[in-house]
Amino acid sequence: KAGVTQTPRYLIKTRGQQVTLSCSPISGHRSVSWYQQTPGQGLQFLFEYFSETQRNKGNFPGRFSGRQFSNSRSEMNVSTLELGDSALYLCASSLDQIYNSPLHFGNGTRLTVT
Amino acid sequence: AQSVAQPEDQVNVAEGNPLTVKCTYSVSGNPYLFWYVQYPNRGLQFLLKYITGDNLVKGSYGFEAEFNKSQTSFHLKKPSALVSDSALYFCAVRDGLTGGGNKLTFGTGTQLKVEL
Repeated sequence: KAGVTQTPRYLIKTRGQQVTLSCSPISGHRSVSWYQQTPGQGLQFLFEYFSETQRNKGNFPGRFSGRQFSNSRSEMNVSTLELGDSALYLCASSLDQIYNSPLHFGNGTRLTVT
Repeated sequence: AQSVAQPEDQVNVAEGNPLTVKCTYSVSGNPYLFWYVQYPNRGLQFLLKYITGDNLVKGSYGFEAEFNKSQTSFHLKKPSALVSDSALYFCAVRDGLTGGGNKLTFGTGTQLKVEL
């Protein structure tokens, strides 16, 4: 089975721009979560989608948004980029929390904001 | 609110020696606990989980973890460390009391360095 695929792997943007990151979950996985990883804040939960609905949301400003499509693929968008948004953005998929199945992570998208 | 503490930023071990990476947690309901490992420029790889049952959980690559409810700990262990085990290790918790969702709270990570 193919793992979680995130595109692109690297991205360089300028302050004020917006960016869209993409995530394809493992086949059959219906839950997709997004995390931000930075040296200072560590791993922080952004949001989770299940069956195209946002099920959970972390403490991030409204500039961070996401969506999930009917095939479970997900995108996250960050508008009006700030220098502090530079981070590794990780997507993870899971069967569903009912099964207590673990999260399977992609290799991430490294976003650099200049 | 749920939380995880990993008290050691770095653990150094000689190859062949046993290793322990410490983790303590705080949740309102039953804890669902996980260990992940991260290699440079990669995502997190799942090692093992505790949901319920035996306090000693066995996972991938020879790792195991011991759940201790009274001490609210979930320490990661391996009987004999390998140089290839050198990586960043994260403990995570999901609160079983909250309904729905896969939100994990992660610790700050422990850098494991295994030397020859």
